[in-house]
Amino acid sequence: AQSVTQLGSHVSVSEGALVLLRCNYSSSVPPYLFWYVQYPNQGLQLLLKYTSAATLVKGINGFEAEFKKSETSFHLTKPSAHMSDAAEYFCAVGYSGGGADGLTFGKGTHLIIQP
Amino acid sequence: NAGVMQNPRHLVRRRGQEARLRCSPMKGHSHVYWYRQLPEEGLKFMVYLQKENIIDESGMPKERFSAEFPKEGPSILRIQQVVRGDSAAYFCASRGPTDTQYFGPGTRLTVL
Repeated sequence: AQSVTQLGSHVSVSEGALVLLRCNYSSSVPPYLFWYVQYPNQGLQLLLKYTSAATLVKGINGFEAEFKKSETSFHLTKPSAHMSDAAEYFCAVGYSGGGADGLTFGKGTHLIIQP
Repeated sequence: NAGVMQNPRHLVRRRGQEARLRCSPMKGHSHVYWYRQLPEEGLKFMVYLQKENIIDESGMPKERFSAEFPKEGPSILRIQQVVRGDSAAYFCASRGPTDTQYFGPGTRLTVL
């Protein structure tokens, strides 16, 4: 069985500050990990994915995430927050088939950007 | 290349009615997934289909819910005799030969 825990249902940062959204997973097989972003009343957009290649993954909009097996973590970061980053962020895990199976999602973190 | 399309975007039903949600995958994608998002919750996997086949329905409620992905046309998620607890956003995702699922904009179902 696999699960995803996102620490902090709401995270507030100032514009220009570092963004850190936490994700921890549990998986009985090597995980495939994803971060998605959801803007209000829209679908999910893929930010980045880890599929057992490089442990530091770069995504769109300046986001990146580092896979740490020893900590079972896949935290999302961005050096400098922008107002347009305000959205809901979801971490998800898949089986070794990558996205071939249904993904297991965390409950999401709502990112608030303070001007 | 058009993305994943879902319709309707909003659907209102009274208790006991049927709801039909449609999903057209991206061009060239033969894998479709349905997820449900309840308020303040993440997405929950429901079912995974390929053309004319259900691959994994482990997340589907045992009663009233069914899904299909025919050889021609969109994938359909059908909910019979809806109840208030079915009110949620239903998202469809499609996948081609890679490992990435691409999500549609969702259908927001409200049961009165």
